[in-house]
Amino acid sequence: EAQVTQNPRYLITVTGKKLTVTCSQNMNHEYMSWYRQDPGLGLRQIYYSMNVEVTDKGDVPEGYKVSRKEKRNFPLILESPSPNQTSLYFCASSLRPPGMGYGYTFGSGTRLTVV
Amino acid sequence: AQSVAQPEDQVNVAEGNPLTVKCTYSVSGNPYLFWYVQYPNRGLQFLLKYITGDNLVKGSYGFEAEFNKSQTSFHLKKPSALVSDSALYFCAVRDINTDKLIFGTGTRLQVFP
Repeated sequence: EAQVTQNPRYLITVTGKKLTVTCSQNMNHEYMSWYRQDPGLGLRQIYYSMNVEVTDKGDVPEGYKVSRKEKRNFPLILESPSPNQTSLYFCASSLRPPGMGYGYTFGSGTRLTVV
Repeated sequence: AQSVAQPEDQVNVAEGNPLTVKCTYSVSGNPYLFWYVQYPNRGLQFLLKYITGDNLVKGSYGFEAEFNKSQTSFHLKKPSALVSDSALYFCAVRDINTDKLIFGTGTRLQVFP
């Protein structure tokens, strides 16, 4: 089944403790992206990647890092999480940038709480 | 700058009645417009898109959307709502500079039995 898999689904952590949220897709997509979803703010893009070893900042990149060493994986790293990073996170992928009309497949989300 | 607006945080409709979820856009040039749906505890799913052609676009689950250039709108519609349509709906527009999607803030649709 074609899908985007995120792990973990739920995570509670403490301020300052580094964490990684994994994202993997099995569709050979070139474009991958991370979003955070907050009430009243919709989806905001954190980082995106056009292909292996090509990443770029989205609208809210502060406090996050990403890497794209393999085509299928696009982990999101929080080096020193803070409470304002408590949010619902989504990974998504598409063959090409989604604005070109290609289907965008989303993972099921990771609910992160930083205390 | 490109943007979309979803003026309603929530829309309530009775099952069997027609539903409309509103979206307006602001772009330079021809818009590429999209609707996505998010069911509880799930990621977003693609519903439909408008790129060019017929102003009435048909999508998944019986939904359709009407592109109106003069009113800069792309409202999502369904002739007869189902309780299972209850979800969060997002309108999105293509950023012509980056081909990324710019999402609206979402509209929660509640369909009552």
